[in-house]
This record gives sequence, C-alpha cells and structure tokens, in this order.
Amino acid sequence: GAGVSQSPRYKVTKRGQDVTLRCDPISSHATLYWYQQALGQGPEFLTYFNYEAQPDKSGLPSDRFSAERPEGSISTLTIQRTEQRDSAMYRCASSLDGTSQETQYFGPGTRLLVL
Amino acid sequence: AQSVTQLGSHVSVSEGALVLLRCNYSSSVPPYLFWYVQYPNQGLQLLLKYTTGATLVKGINGFEAEFKKSETSFHLTKPSAHMSDAAEYFCAVRKGGTASKLTFGTGTRLQVTL
Repeated sequence: GAGVSQSPRYKVTKRGQDVTLRCDPISSHATLYWYQQALGQGPEFLTYFNYEAQPDKSGLPSDRFSAERPEGSISTLTIQRTEQRDSAMYRCASSLDGTSQETQYFGPGTRLLVL
Repeated sequence: AQSVTQLGSHVSVSEGALVLLRCNYSSSVPPYLFWYVQYPNQGLQLLLKYTTGATLVKGINGFEAEFKKSETSFHLTKPSAHMSDAAEYFCAVRKGGTASKLTFGTGTRLQVTL
C-alpha cells in the first residue's frame, strides 16, 4: 500500500480481556517494528521482524505481549489479560530493510485504553 | 546503549521567529540520528536524518540540523517559524550497522503564536 496502516485506530477494552492490534506495512518493506508510546513519552521499542523472522523481542514488557508476522507482510500484536498500565499508543513502522540508515515509516497508531 | 535527551518539553515561538529544538544523545558507537514530527492524529513523519557525510543536514519544510560530535548534539532549527509548524517533535538515535531499534527522546511540543 501507499503507507503503513494500522487497525483499529482506537480500542477500549476492560481489564483482563485480550486485544489484537494489526499493522499493514508498505508492501515492498522487509522490516517491521512495533513501538509503545505512553502519554507524554517518546515511542519505546517492543519488537521487530525481518520478513517472518523475529530477531529481537527484547522490548516486550511481559509474556502477555506477543507479535507475529506469519507471511512476512501483515503483523499482529496481541496483549493477553490486559492491564490498565497497557494503556498507550501502539505504533507500527516499516522500512525497506533493517539497515540502520533506512528510514522507518510510521503508521497512525492504535490508541488502546484499558478500563 | 543509546539514549536521547530533549531539553524543554514545550517550546513557544512567535511566527517568523527562529525555531531551536535541542537534542543531545549518548551512544557508545557512532550514531545515526533522526528527527521526526507528529501532527495531531497522524503518524510520525521523518523530518531529516544524519547517517554519514555532511554534518549539516537539511530536511523537509525548511528544517535543518547539525551533528556536532564534540557536543553530542543534534539540534533542530528553522530560521522562520510558521503556524503550520506547531506539532510535537521527536529526536531519535540508532546504532549504526545492522538492524537496530530507534531510541526516542520524550518529545518537544512546539507552539507557534501570532
């Protein structure tokens, strides 16, 4: 597609429910990143993919968080048993490849509110 | 490990005045440096980046930044602010080499007044 898209744009859920967020990267991009942005903070790295491979998931805050990209294109981020502290903007980005000089293109984000 | 410090969470300038948004970084290896802008209800958009070569980098919308290794700084400037520049600005650092994450600062909200 023309840009990175994310869905839903807004999600309100109750504590203890599972949520799944979706990211559709730019079609030619091999690398996909997930970031979490709390209110008043900069985005913080969660994990990334090179095609289907997930070389780094060091930023995932707990085992309740998981991500996948089974066909090397669309990715999902799942949060199980949500907690109020999970409320944040979740941002997805993609880049042509994973080299450091490549620009990461960001989607509009999904704002998650856990009640 | 890399880190970024943005001095001033809010900056207010008059239209037509100089914009200066400060960013200092720490990195154990030569860094790649980025400035992103976030307009309301939109994703982060790249303004400019420094990877190698010329230390003065020009970006979109008249912004530029200078990489100063001796000062570990990458401040963002624009000679004359416009109302449309009102947004949140994020400085980010990335380790050179193979794939690595962006480490962002906490952001600076720029207000432009008449």
